[in-house]
Amino acid sequence: DVKVTQSSRYLVKRTGEKVFLECVQDMDHENMFWYRQDPGLGLRLIYFSYDVKMKEKGDIPEGYSVSREKKERFSLILESASTNQTSMYLCAHWSGTDTEAFFGQGTRLTVV
Amino acid sequence: GESVGLHLPTLSVQEGDNSIINCAYSNSASDYFIWYKQESGKGPQFIIDIRSNMDKRQGQRVTVLLNKTVKHLSLQIAATQPGDSAVYFCAERPNTGNQFYFGTGTSLTVIP
Repeated sequence: DVKVTQSSRYLVKRTGEKVFLECVQDMDHENMFWYRQDPGLGLRLIYFSYDVKMKEKGDIPEGYSVSREKKERFSLILESASTNQTSMYLCAHWSGTDTEAFFGQGTRLTVV
Repeated sequence: GESVGLHLPTLSVQEGDNSIINCAYSNSASDYFIWYKQESGKGPQFIIDIRSNMDKRQGQRVTVLLNKTVKHLSLQIAATQPGDSAVYFCAERPNTGNQFYFGTGTSLTVIP
């Protein structure tokens, strides 16, 4: 079975905190993605990485950064969490040749 | 930028009826079109895909139709069951680059 593990299902953080969301995949895929999902807006791409130490901005990178030190792990960092970053965060990975991307179960982050 | 949208945000169908979920896309250069299903509390899961050189593809109880003339994609679910209740996303993958572009989603509710 494909396994994409996100470190937490639910997270509550305070405004101004530094937040780390971790994603680990076991399929040796080069491409990894972080999306946020909000009602009526669908999935919006925050950042993606096509190789270790490589990263590209997506559509909404402001307020976020990422780290890819190992192929299997892609971390999303909220440097100073704000209430407008309350959302569902989804990690995905893709081989680069397969049709579909594989998603984790998501992390629902609430910033209070 | 890419634009992938859905005609209706919600859809209710009677159990046993057929469901049709529609999607419009804007990038003529997309190579693959993909449908995902997202159940409550879970990440999106691949249902079916279609390549740009096809106009129809069938799976188990699902059919995807692609009309490149009007840039329209649809997912048909036969004999809809309560387990089909979920949010359905279309996605397109351009033939260059490493990104997927998602629609906003249609929430399907199956009435017993």
